[in-house]
Formats: sequence, C-alpha cells, structure tokens
Amino acid sequence: ETGVTQSPTHLIKTRGQQVTLRCSSQSGHNTVSWYQQALGQGPQFIFQYYREEENGRGNFPPRFSGLQFPNYSSELNVNALELDDSALYLCASSKGAYNEQFFGPGTRLTVL
Amino acid sequence: QKEVEQDPGPLSVPEGAIVSLNCTYSNSAFQYFMWYRQYSRKGPELLMYTYSSGNKEDGRFTAQVDKSSKYISLFIRDSQPSDSATYLCAALDRGSTLGRLYFGRGTQLTVWP
Repeated sequence: ETGVTQSPTHLIKTRGQQVTLRCSSQSGHNTVSWYQQALGQGPQFIFQYYREEENGRGNFPPRFSGLQFPNYSSELNVNALELDDSALYLCASSKGAYNEQFFGPGTRLTVL
Repeated sequence: QKEVEQDPGPLSVPEGAIVSLNCTYSNSAFQYFMWYRQYSRKGPELLMYTYSSGNKEDGRFTAQVDKSSKYISLFIRDSQPSDSATYLCAALDRGSTLGRLYFGRGTQLTVWP
C-alpha cells in the first residue's frame, strides 16, 4: 500500500510568483486536507477536499486555492506569493473527512 | 487563546526515562485526539488516535485524555534515542461538517544515550 506522496520536495520562488504543489493520496482514501507549517509551529489547516469538492477552509486568503481530481489526488495553488508563505506545506489523506489523517513528507517552499 | 496549547520545550531526557508530554485545549466540542511524531524536516507520523476520555496503550506509548480538565497526555516508557523528535498533539470536532485538525505547536524531545 502506497502512502501519501507530495511533489516537489523543495521549491524556491520569488515574491509575486505563483506555485502549484501536488499530492497523491493513500490508496482507498477519498479526502485530502492541506496544512501549512511555519518553522517552530504546528500545522495550520488551509482547506479540505472530499470527493472533488472543497469541504471547508481555514483562515487563509483566496489566493490559496486547490483542486481534487477523480483519482483523489490534489493540488494546492498559491498566487501572488509573499515572504510569509515560506513554510512546509503538508498534505494529509483520509477515508472520509473525520477519520485518521495520514500525512505526506511535505513540500518546503521558500519565497525570496 | 489558541484552540490547542502545547509547551514547545525543549525536553531532554536520558535513555530509559519515562517521558510525559502534555496539551490543553479550549473547545469542549473536541471529541477525537491524536498524537503525531515529526522528525526534522519530515511529515508528521500518526502515533495515537483516541476518542473522548480514557487511556489507550500501544507498545511503549500511552495516550490519556481527561475531558473534564481538557487535558491530553502522551507517555513514552523506556525512551530511546530514536524517539528524539517533535511531538504534536491534535484535536478534531466530529460534530462539525469539516474534518479539520487543530494542532498544538509541538514539543521537541531529545533522548540522549
């Protein structure tokens, strides 16, 4: 059974650019949640996708958007990057919105 | 006030010690509680998943929830250097329409040989 995978591993962008991060969910999981983890902090919820629909979002601006595909993989898009967007972006998959969430290794984004 | 509070440490103990990690939470609606272990620059790994109050044991790890005091704990027995990591507590309100995890900021643990 393949776990949650994310790509790319690392990314360096400049302020104002756009970025797309990708996540493949664990086999049998239909829900993907995205979190942002700043250095020294716990993960903060960005949004969740359940069966290709956004199920809800946290306190992040609209320039953070996402998609979920029929195979339940997902993308996180961030427009107009700001320096404070530098963080580890984590994807978690689960069987349904409320069950155990299993995390991928994350994508480390650096904005210069 | 944050939904879940956790002392960031750092905590340093000798090999073989019993480690106690703790969190408090403010939302009475939280029903499910988790502990994740995160090695440096890696994704969190689920260690324990518990419901409501009580204890749950898995090998050297015991998770404890006291809903009356809104206090959650993780105990590690016979700690090993390989346990050195950041431990994150998290809570989930299954009564909402959203399966959102609320995390503490993590406690950094070092177990020295």
